[in-house]
Amino acid sequence: EVQLAQSGAEVKKPGESLKISCQGSGYSFTDYWVGWVRQMPGRGLEWMALILPRDSNTKYNPSFQGQVTISADRSISTAYLQWSSLKASDTAMYYCVRHLAPGFDYWGQGTLVTVSS
Amino acid sequence: DIVMTQSPDSLAVSLGERATINCKSSQSVLDTSTNKNNLAWYQQKPGQPPKPLIFWASTRESGVPERFSGSGSGTDFTLTISSLQAEDVAVYYCQQYDTTPSFTFGPGTKVDLK
Repeated sequence: EVQLAQSGAEVKKPGESLKISCQGSGYSFTDYWVGWVRQMPGRGLEWMALILPRDSNTKYNPSFQGQVTISADRSISTAYLQWSSLKASDTAMYYCVRHLAPGFDYWGQGTLVTVSS
Repeated sequence: DIVMTQSPDSLAVSLGERATINCKSSQSVLDTSTNKNNLAWYQQKPGQPPKPLIFWASTRESGVPERFSGSGSGTDFTLTISSLQAEDVAVYYCQQYDTTPSFTFGPGTKVDLK
């Protein structure tokens, strides 16, 4: 069974750094693009970035380029999303997703990130 | 960038009645090399991640009930729930894909019981 297990909820202050994770299981992790989708409170869905764990090729939504970094560790089938300096506007639910054209066929349970002073 | 719109924003349907959601893209999402529309539909219930319902505009994902169907091509698409059940109360999103890659979601349509 394909699963994407995400790390737990985080509460951070503005300016702090953060790295959240997503561990894939039940499939060949290196062979599928894995990415992140943001959902701000009460809002819709926004694709942020993708990575192909096989060669760490990355693709970013231009709206998020330079704001976050996506990475992966093939040895532990885990993808990451990181921020170097969080803002209050980063408060959102972040979903890990597996890409199978034309969309995302598996979703993690979500990681809630709250940024507040 | 392709912009996705959905209508209506919300609708209330009686149990057993039909629900119809429309999705429009600012550019065609038909891939002429494959003759497939790069369009997906998702269902999101409160407190849950989105669940894929339909890919390629009209292909139901495994396990999705037959009452869910997708249609359309090019720029205009429809998700139909033929006989609404209580468990179908949710927000529904369409999403387009291009091979850049780039993915854009519609703003969502909330379906409630009347």
